[in-house]
Amino acid sequence: GESVGLHLPTLSVQEGDNSIINCAYSNSASDYFIWYKQESGKGPQFIIDIRSNMDKRQGQRVTVLLNKTVKHLSLQIAATQPGDSAVYFCAENYYNQGGKLIFGQGTELSVKP
Amino acid sequence: DAGVIQSPRHEVTEMGQEVTLRCKPISGHNSLFWYRQTMMRGLELLIYFNNNVPIDDSGMPEDRFSAKMPNASFSTLKIQPSEPRDSAVYFCASSSTRNEQFFGPGTRLTVL
Repeated sequence: GESVGLHLPTLSVQEGDNSIINCAYSNSASDYFIWYKQESGKGPQFIIDIRSNMDKRQGQRVTVLLNKTVKHLSLQIAATQPGDSAVYFCAENYYNQGGKLIFGQGTELSVKP
Repeated sequence: DAGVIQSPRHEVTEMGQEVTLRCKPISGHNSLFWYRQTMMRGLELLIYFNNNVPIDDSGMPEDRFSAKMPNASFSTLKIQPSEPRDSAVYFCASSSTRNEQFFGPGTRLTVL
C-alpha cells in the first residue's frame, strides 16, 4: 500500500513580497548553520551560512538571523521571485567532524506571480 | 566544471537484487558524503569520507548497505540485498571546505 509521508510546512507568498522561513534546531554544539535550497528534481544547493558566534549575515537578497537563546534560525528573502519557489532546508554543520550536516525538515516556498 | 556526477539517475529493481550507485565528486574536493532522502525521514547523512577514508558511517541503516571510495574521483554505495523500504533518492555531495557541500542530481531508487 501507499505509505503516508510527512507534509512539509508550506509558505505561500506573492511575487515581490519578502519571505521569512523559520527553523528550530536542537544541538547547541553546531559550529555553523547553513541554508540550502532544493528545486524539484534537483539536489540541494547552498544558499548562505552563518557561524555560531554571529547573529546576522547578509547575502544577495537573503539574510540569515540566528538566535542562540531560543535555538532559532531564519532565512529572509527580499523581493521574492517565482524562481525562489523550492524547498528550503536549514542544516547544522559540525565543522570539527569534517563538515557533517544534519538537515531539518524543510519548508516549501511557493511564489505566486 | 561538471559538478558532482551521479549514476544512474533512475534505478528500478526487484527486492533481493544488488544495487550499486555511483558518484564522481568535483575534482579537488577531499570530502565526499552520501545522503538518502525520503518523505518520511527527510535528508539523512549515511556516510562520509575524507581523503578517501570513511570517517563516520553511523548513518548507514544496516549491514545491507556498504560504501567505498577507492580513489579521489570515485565512490560507490551498494545495497545488497535491496528491500522496498530502501526506495528513496540517494544524493552524493562533495566539498573542499567544511561548510559548503555541493550536491549531485541524485539517484532515484525504486525497489519493487
